[in-house]
Order: sequence, then C-alpha cells, then structure tokens
Amino acid sequence: QTVVTQEPSLTVSPGGTVTLTCASNSGAVTSAYYPNWFQQKPGQAPRTLIYSTSNKHSWTPARFSGSLLGDKAALTLSNVQPEDEADYYCLLYHGGPQVWVFGGGTKLTVL
Amino acid sequence: EVYLVESGGDLVQPGRSLRLSCTASGFNFVDHSMSWVRQAPGKGLQWVGFIRKNADGAATQYAASVKGRFIISRDDSKNIAYLQMSSLKSDDTAVYYCVRGGVGITPFEDWGQGTLVTVTS
Repeated sequence: QTVVTQEPSLTVSPGGTVTLTCASNSGAVTSAYYPNWFQQKPGQAPRTLIYSTSNKHSWTPARFSGSLLGDKAALTLSNVQPEDEADYYCLLYHGGPQVWVFGGGTKLTVL
Repeated sequence: EVYLVESGGDLVQPGRSLRLSCTASGFNFVDHSMSWVRQAPGKGLQWVGFIRKNADGAATQYAASVKGRFIISRDDSKNIAYLQMSSLKSDDTAVYYCVRGGVGITPFEDWGQGTLVTVTS
C-alpha cells in the first residue's frame, strides 16, 4: 500500500517563508512522480497550484513555488499572506494499481 | 472561463447505484482528459479515477477502492463526464469533484464545486 506523507500542520508568521514537504513510502520522490500541489480553503473546492513538480498555472501567485528537496517534493511559500491559511495537499503519480495518491494534507496556519 | 458543474449527488442506501455528471464549458472538452476526486466529510482528498480523451481511446483507470464498482465515461457531444457508482458502501460517502486533466504529465487544472453523495441506511 502506497502512502504519501505530509506534515499534519505548520504555522508561519505573515511575511515569513514556509516549506511543506511530500514523501512517498515507495522511495525518493522524483520528477517522474509528477508532483502536484493543491490549496483548499474551508468550504471551497480545491485549487491546483503546482503541477509536474514546479510548473505554475496562470492563477498561481508568484510567492508559491514547487521543487524537489532531498527525497521529497516540496512547496515553498514566500512572503506568506493571511489569505494563504488553508489546507495543502500533494499528489504523486505512482502508476500501477493506485496510479495517483494524495498526501494526507498540511493545515497551514498564518499567525 | 472554464466551468465544471457536478450534479447527481444524493442520499442512497448501501448497495444501490448512483450516476454523477460533470458538465463542462469554456474549453474544448473533446481535447481533455477528465478526473474524479472525492473527499469524505472532514477528511482529505482521494483520487477516484480518470478517463482519457477519445483520441487516446477514452481509456480509464481507477483507484483500487472503487475498481470494479465505479465506471467513468464521457459524452463529447454533450460535454459531460460521468461517474457511474454501483454497490455503494458507507465509505463512499463524500463530496465528489470532477477535475479537468490529471493523466500523467497532463496537469490537474480546473475543479468543479463538487456534489455530495451520502450512503446510509
């Protein structure tokens, strides 16, 4: 059973920088896992921020960036704004029977 | 502007079937794969499955938890993707979202607002 792990919660101060990570029990996360990152605010549908490790959509704020950090995928938020408080989910492509697997999500608090 | 509107969510008994629809507008539906993702109340996101565009054979893949019970299809003449759910279980209770894209390197793009399926006796 493939398990994707994220930090359950993180806290950051406004204007600060925070990095969320995404690991797989299948091994080191590489670009072949096509890491995606999503933001979900309470009562709203998710919104895609990052795809294929580091690519942004037209609506993705510049302060969000995706990368590989060691053996994990990472989402870095710079100059964090109060409106960035949300749940963040990563998604990794594993192929095989599970194909795509979501992480459990990180609840980001801006305080 | 891209719109994805899910419909068909309902309260159903265990073992019954239900079909969800995702009506798309604002883009050339025939050129895009479509995915379904669900979220149980208070829980995280779970990938359900996808359907490739017809030019790629409209191939489908499913999460292990729904394989053999759920079928994804599409009607390009109506710009609709469907999620046919059968042998429903209480664990299938969730908000179901359709998403444009999500096949391999093809990015997950726009999301619908979701439709709630509640499975209870």
